[in-house]
Amino acid sequence: EPEVTQTPSHQVTQMGQEVILRCVPISNHLYFYWYRQILGQKVEFLVSFYNNEISEKSEIFDDQFSVERPDGSNFTLKIRSTKLEDSAMYFCASSVQWGVSEQYFGPGTRLTVT
Amino acid sequence: KQEVTQIPAALSVPEGENLVLNCSFTDSAIYNLQWFRQDPGKGLTSLLLIQSSQREQTSGRLNASLDKSSGRSTLYIAASQPGDSATYLCAPFGNEKLTFGTGTRLTIIP
Repeated sequence: EPEVTQTPSHQVTQMGQEVILRCVPISNHLYFYWYRQILGQKVEFLVSFYNNEISEKSEIFDDQFSVERPDGSNFTLKIRSTKLEDSAMYFCASSVQWGVSEQYFGPGTRLTVT
Repeated sequence: KQEVTQIPAALSVPEGENLVLNCSFTDSAIYNLQWFRQDPGKGLTSLLLIQSSQREQTSGRLNASLDKSSGRSTLYIAASQPGDSATYLCAPFGNEKLTFGTGTRLTIIP
């Protein structure tokens, strides 16, 4: 069964460093998302992406964050200068259609900022 | 702004019992609602998607209902098993995103 994959599973970085989290969505999906979950808190929406453009972003997704689909399979989230409060589990998700189909989530990347 | 509440926050039941998890949301302008399970330290597994035009959706021992006008959804689990132990999250989809509740942590006692 097709699944969303994410790499790395765990990333440790120092405050102020740039990180890139990678995702491979399900191959026929057209809509891509990033969410994050700080330990013990709710899963929060960061950004949605369709047709090589950001469709929607939350107030969390400030200028330090960017997303890109560099080729036909990868979808990346970049954090330019990490802060301690960026420590969280980051989930990538994808769906076939907007609004009517399930979002499928990857296993997540645990980001630890020291 | 959508707010999602799930009650109870935690639930322990003996194996074999049927149970109901509740979800309420404040903004009824949604396209659909998904139920997920999350195992400790793991990702989200989609259990059911219920469209805004549907009242119910079933998958195996799971049945989800949706009353969009009152902002409520329930997840019914029949004949619970120890493998059902996990955190269950509901997430309505509206304004191009899923909004998650804090979840119900379910423990099935063998």
